[in-house]
Amino acid sequence: EAQVTQNPRYLITVTGKKLTVTCSQNMNHEYMSWYRQDPGLGLRQIYYSMNVEVTDKGDVPEGYKVSRKEKRNFPLILESPSPNQTSLYFCASSFAGGSGNQPQHFGDGTRLSIL
Amino acid sequence: AQTVTQSQPEMSVQEAETVTLSCTYDTSESDYYLFWYKQPPSRQMILVIRQEAYKQQNATENRFSVNFQKAAKSFSLKISDSQLGDAAMYFCAYRSALFTGNQFYFGTGTSLTVIP
Repeated sequence: EAQVTQNPRYLITVTGKKLTVTCSQNMNHEYMSWYRQDPGLGLRQIYYSMNVEVTDKGDVPEGYKVSRKEKRNFPLILESPSPNQTSLYFCASSFAGGSGNQPQHFGDGTRLSIL
Repeated sequence: AQTVTQSQPEMSVQEAETVTLSCTYDTSESDYYLFWYKQPPSRQMILVIRQEAYKQQNATENRFSVNFQKAAKSFSLKISDSQLGDAAMYFCAYRSALFTGNQFYFGTGTSLTVIP
């Protein structure tokens, strides 16, 4: 089954404790992205990647890191989490070919709470 | 950066009736793509419909259709014969066709309630 898998789905942690949210897709998509969703703000793009070893900042990259060492994986790293990073996070992937209207396939989301 | 505006935080519709969700966007580009996504309480993000800016014909997917007004930079979603399963948060999204990146811009969402 084609899917984007995020782990964990829920995480409660404390300020300053490094964490990683994993994302993996099995569709051989070139493009991958991370978003955060906050009430009243919609989804905002944190980082995106156009292929292996190619990443770029989205609208809200501060406090986050990403890496794309393999095509299927795109982990999101919070080196020193802070309470303002409490949010719902989504990973998404899409195919690079075609006319550009390729929709994104989303993971099920990770609810992250930082105390 | 492009901005996407959904001016209706909440909407409601009677079952079997029609509802229209509004979306406007700000861009200086002439070629781009627009999407509507649905997020039910399960929080999955599901593609509802998409539109290429170079196409004049409005996209349609079963009970879902759009009214794309390029000059007005408007991209509204019409849901006909509303069903209880349509209750969800709906997000409008924009993507540039310039391939300078993989940036998507989302609106703040409209929460749709379907009244039995």
